[in-house]
Amino acid sequence: VQLVESGGGLVQPGGSLRLSCAASEFTFSLYWMIWVRQAPGKGLEWVANIKQDGSEGYYVDSVKGRFTISRDNAKNSLYLQMNSLRAEDTAVYYCAREMLTAAAPGFDSWGQGTLVTVSS
Amino acid sequence: SYELTQPPSVSVSPGQTASITCSGDKLGDKYTCWYQQRPGQSPVLVIYQDTKRPSGIPERFSGSNSGNTATLTISGTQALDEADYYCQAWVTNSYVVFGGGTKLSVL
Repeated sequence: VQLVESGGGLVQPGGSLRLSCAASEFTFSLYWMIWVRQAPGKGLEWVANIKQDGSEGYYVDSVKGRFTISRDNAKNSLYLQMNSLRAEDTAVYYCAREMLTAAAPGFDSWGQGTLVTVSS
Repeated sequence: SYELTQPPSVSVSPGQTASITCSGDKLGDKYTCWYQQRPGQSPVLVIYQDTKRPSGIPERFSGSNSGNTATLTISGTQALDEADYYCQAWVTNSYVVFGGGTKLSVL
């Protein structure tokens, strides 16, 4: 299993950024996928998750209306469109895979993360 | 909003047993997972559905969950177990919450 994030960088407050996560070595279309972030020196925070076919997506309250999670199963790719960025969105963003379990799955594979810095 | 509370730090001597707690309202009614994150690395799942270990995770890692508290137990703690540990639960079928993390020091 391999997950490789890209698209992070420095952006001004109010700006936009699109993160990508390239998946390989597993059947991407079978899995729910998730974005988790970690502010510098802080803990993990769930950001969003998306159903296998992309028909359902869920968000933490702090990003609702600003972030959009999506996927392209043909390209084995997960995305996070981030608009109206704020300083408090500064973090390393990880994509991760939900386990194929019936109830309350854990996240069994993680990418290396991509750093997003929101600053003027 | 639902919160999970962990102690900021736990210390243990090599070879001894470390216990890291995670508290939340009626947490025992939910499944809990645990993640290990070494400095500069991505998180690794060590326990899911309260007590199960993914393949490749040593048997010295175990979990329990009852009442308002879930516990990660590391038996025979080794120096390489020194890391941050995070609990995680599903608040609803689609809403995830993480605990604040516990730094485990092996002294």
